[in-house]
Parts: sequence; structure tokens; C-alpha cells
Amino acid sequence: AQTVTQSQPEMSVQEAETVTLSCTYDTSESDYYLFWYKQPPSRQMILVIRQEAYKQQNATENRFSVNFQKAAKSFSLKISDSQLGDAAMYFCAYRSGETSGSRLTFGEGTQLTVNP
Amino acid sequence: DAGITQSPRHKVTETGTPVTLRCHQTENHRYMYWYRQDPGHGLRLIHYSYGVKDTDKGEVSDGYSVSRSKTEDFLLTLESATSSQTSVYFCAISESGGPEQFFGPGTRLTVL
Repeated sequence: AQTVTQSQPEMSVQEAETVTLSCTYDTSESDYYLFWYKQPPSRQMILVIRQEAYKQQNATENRFSVNFQKAAKSFSLKISDSQLGDAAMYFCAYRSGETSGSRLTFGEGTQLTVNP
Repeated sequence: DAGITQSPRHKVTETGTPVTLRCHQTENHRYMYWYRQDPGHGLRLIHYSYGVKDTDKGEVSDGYSVSRSKTEDFLLTLESATSSQTSVYFCAISESGGPEQFFGPGTRLTVL
């Protein structure tokens, strides 16, 4: 079974600075997807970024980028120019690519605080 | 935003009572999921559906049942609620060809 681990329960960053959230996963599959979701106090789960395992290039979405190290099974999220609105719980998630409609496996989450 | 609604948004109930949560989508997506969120566990899959009347169990399915009689609706039932089922419940949807799952706003359930 796949597992996802986020070893940082809490992180903090100064506004306008850069922060990196860590995620590691364990799988024997070669075809899969990795995601970062953001959950602000509103509780809504918001998809931040997605990475396909077959792509070597790291995904980027505006101020959000990932460092995908397939051999190390590591998938970190970098937030540049942090803003107060980035404060939220961030979840790393894994999805098998071998079966259509596969479930997501989530990490425990990292609570990010942004200090003004 | 994906058209997903959940009802009710909040519910307080007593141990032993039946509870049904509803997820409604307007996207006509094939796959629907129920997750629960608890501190220290992230989100965990309860049940999922891959079509009308087609459902299967997830990793924490004990004490829960589901039904899907229409593409747009996916119901989660707690036959006899227990305090351990106090949680936030999320519905999610995905289409056949895409890997992303889109989430509803969640339902906070408290079982006293």
C-alpha cells in the first residue's frame, strides 16, 4: 500500500519570504500522480499543484513550485513571496495512475503560518 | 469551482441514531468519493463510487454504507452513529480521464 508522510506538522514564514514544505511517499508503482492541496480556515480543499511521475520537469503554478525527486520519493512544495493568504493547512497526496478513478492517499498535513 | 454541494454542512446527533450525508454534483463526473478528516490523519477514504449503483469500500469503511442511484448524488449513511465517527466529511469527484479530485465544502458531524 502507498503511504505519504509529511514530517513537519507546523511551519512558519515571514511575509514575502520563501518556504518549503516536505513530503515523502512510498510506492512500488511507476505510474502515479502527486498533488498538493491547500486547506484554509474555510475548510475548503483547494488543489494547488499536480505532478505526473513520468514528467521530469518540476511543475510550477505562479508562486508555487515543486521539487520532485522520483528516485528519493520526495515531493516538496516551495512557496515564493509568501502572502498572508497562503496561511493554511497543506496536504500532500498520492494517486495511482494504474487504475482509473483511484483514491487519493494523503499525508498528515503541515500547518503553515505566515507572519506579517 | 467544481459544482459540488454537501448537505447538511453541520450536524449534531446522538449516539445510536442514523445519519445520512448527501453529496450532489452538477459536473456529470463518473467517480465520487467520501473521505473523513481527523487530526493527525489527513483525509482517509471511506467509500467510493465508479458509476450508478457501483460502489466499493475504502480504508475506513466499517460503520458506513453508501448508495448512488443517480449520477449526481452520492449518499453516505451511518446506520448507528458512534462518537468515533465525529469528524469532518468530504465528498470529492473526478472524471474518467483526469487524475484530479475536486472536493465539496465538507460536513462537520458531531456525535454526542
